[in-house]
Amino acid sequence: DQQVKQNSPSLSVQEGRISILNCDYTNSMFDYFLWYKKYPAEGPTFLISISSIKDKNEDGRFTVFLNKSAKHLSLHIVPSQPGDSAVYFCAATQMNTGNQFYFGTGTSLTVIP
Amino acid sequence: NAGVMQNPRHLVRRRGQEARLRCSPMKGHSHVYWYRQLPEEGLKFMVYLQKENIIDESGMPKERFSAEFPKEGPSILRIQQVVRGDSAAYFCASSQVADHRDTQYFGPGTRLTVL
Repeated sequence: DQQVKQNSPSLSVQEGRISILNCDYTNSMFDYFLWYKKYPAEGPTFLISISSIKDKNEDGRFTVFLNKSAKHLSLHIVPSQPGDSAVYFCAATQMNTGNQFYFGTGTSLTVIP
Repeated sequence: NAGVMQNPRHLVRRRGQEARLRCSPMKGHSHVYWYRQLPEEGLKFMVYLQKENIIDESGMPKERFSAEFPKEGPSILRIQQVVRGDSAAYFCASSQVADHRDTQYFGPGTRLTVL
């Protein structure tokens, strides 16, 4: 029962261009969403988050957009850099009912120099 | 300030043996979470513990798996009588408080291989 889905297992982007990573969820009760970045042989590292009361959150080169009606969020990286090459996981949770994060299966981003 | 530490990084067990995975949270963190990542899948929540207490174990398999976080020492995830399907990467995360979802810091994981 995959409540958070990342349908693109991989994405390649030229350095300097925009990377757009997508994530869909099925549980309308989710009210907090996060993106994590993971390098090989390391644990995930928190990148950016968004509450359901917002539709956009920006932090430097990273922007997360939330479309609640479509149950869809996306992560935009502009401009993309080779060091951004990693696996990106989106995660969702319901803030007041426990501490489970539901993770997507990840998208492997390759930024080509 | 050391991050979340997990050991061993790699663990190989034969079917039927026991696996013990250790997690030392970041200094000052009293909340520990365990996740499992099966091949080609995302991380799946297993259990949430505070010192000496299991708060939420809804993601934990009902048999063979147990977790503890004693007053002193690391958190332990224990898998008894391992089977091949237990082969996965097990990640531990810790947080200082329980109500800020973006402050779970992850360890590097333990990769368990069951032969």
